Amino acid sequence: AQTVTQSQPEMSVQEAETVTLSCTYDTSESDYYLFWYKQPPSRQMILVIRQEAYKQQNATENRFSVNFQKAAKSFSLKISDSQLGDAAMYFCAYRSRYYGQNFVFGPGTRLSVLP
Amino acid sequence: KAGVTQTPRYLIKTRGQQVTLSCSPISGHRSVSWYQQTPGQGLQFLFEYFSETQRNKGNFPGRFSGRQFSNSRSEMNVSTLELGDSALYLCASSLGQGIAGELFFGEGSRLTVL
Repeated sequence: AQTVTQSQPEMSVQEAETVTLSCTYDTSESDYYLFWYKQPPSRQMILVIRQEAYKQQNATENRFSVNFQKAAKSFSLKISDSQLGDAAMYFCAYRSRYYGQNFVFGPGTRLSVLP
Repeated sequence: KAGVTQTPRYLIKTRGQQVTLSCSPISGHRSVSWYQQTPGQGLQFLFEYFSETQRNKGNFPGRFSGRQFSNSRSEMNVSTLELGDSALYLCASSLGQGIAGELFFGEGSRLTVL
């Protein structure tokens, strides 16, 4: 079974600075998807960024980018120019490419942004 | 396009009662998944329904059940409630077929068991 680990339960960053959230996963599969989801306080969870394992190029969405290291099974999220609105729980998630497989979520990292 | 809608948003029950939560997915989405979120356990997968069939099931007791209707709306039921069932229950929908797409989450139903 696949597992997802986020070793940083809490992190903080100064506004306008850069922060990196770590995620590692364990799988025997070669083809899969990785996601970062954001859950602001008392608000719904939304997708931040998605990476397809067969793509070597790291995904980027505006201020959010990932460092995908397939051999190391590492998938970190970098947030540049942090804003107060980035404060949230961040969940790393894995999904097999095979049909019918469910998502596996990590335990989450709570990010605080300091003004 | 309307998002994923969950009702009720908040509810309080007592031990031994049962509860039914409802989820309306995004129009056109045929897959609905349910998750239990607690501070100690994080997000735990309950089950997934696709075209009215349960496709996957997590490691929860039989007190937790669900179903999906022909219009893709889903309900989950928890019988004989226990204090430990207090949690935020999240529903997520996706297209559900072919290449694994993203999940779209609802705002959740917060259940408190007294």
